[in-house]
Amino acid sequence: QKEVEQNSGPLSVPEGAIASLNCTYSDRGSQSFFWYRQYSGKSPELIMFIYSNGDKEDGRFTAQLNKASQYVSLLIRDSQPSDSATYLCAVKGTSYDKVIFGPGTSLSVIP
Amino acid sequence: EPEVTQTPSHQVTQMGQEVILRCVPISNHLYFYWYRQILGQKVEFLVSFYNNEISEKSEIFDDQFSVERPDGSNFTLKIRSTKLEDSAMYFCASRHQREGDYGYTFGSGTRLTVV
Repeated sequence: QKEVEQNSGPLSVPEGAIASLNCTYSDRGSQSFFWYRQYSGKSPELIMFIYSNGDKEDGRFTAQLNKASQYVSLLIRDSQPSDSATYLCAVKGTSYDKVIFGPGTSLSVIP
Repeated sequence: EPEVTQTPSHQVTQMGQEVILRCVPISNHLYFYWYRQILGQKVEFLVSFYNNEISEKSEIFDDQFSVERPDGSNFTLKIRSTKLEDSAMYFCASRHQREGDYGYTFGSGTRLTVV
């Protein structure tokens, strides 16, 4: 059973549009949820974290969490070509000290 | 901004040789991790380390792997006898102990190539 799932993409959006990235997870006891951005050949970079149901906004990024549906999403408003990267959803449960990553969604923002 | 430093950036080794990957976590972080990413695949957890001992390890982290914090700053991953399938990018990560702050800071990685 896959623990964290994401659409692999690629997801292509025009510059200035909203990009919507989705993630589901299998461990119902999971408490902490993260979005990392990874440029090709680089390390993951934390861009958002969310712990409570609902929305959390930070600049152009909004993370949404629905624990009942075991669903996390990331919205990127006013997408820029520099947002082109792979976005990794990551989840941490309460019973272990590790974060489990999904396979990532490749985003391409077309100028 | 504080960062996690990893050396070397790229290491080529022959199959069966031992390698040591080095990491200097952020100075006030107390939780340390190693992850790896095989080319084109997802980031995989290897091991977590806190208070000078392993707190969690994955199935990948078998007897060929070990971790050590030999002094107050370095955190190392040793692979005793490398295999071709160990070729991957290895990332060190660390995090603060603040309650509720579980976001990792990753180093830039070491690309290990086993030939």
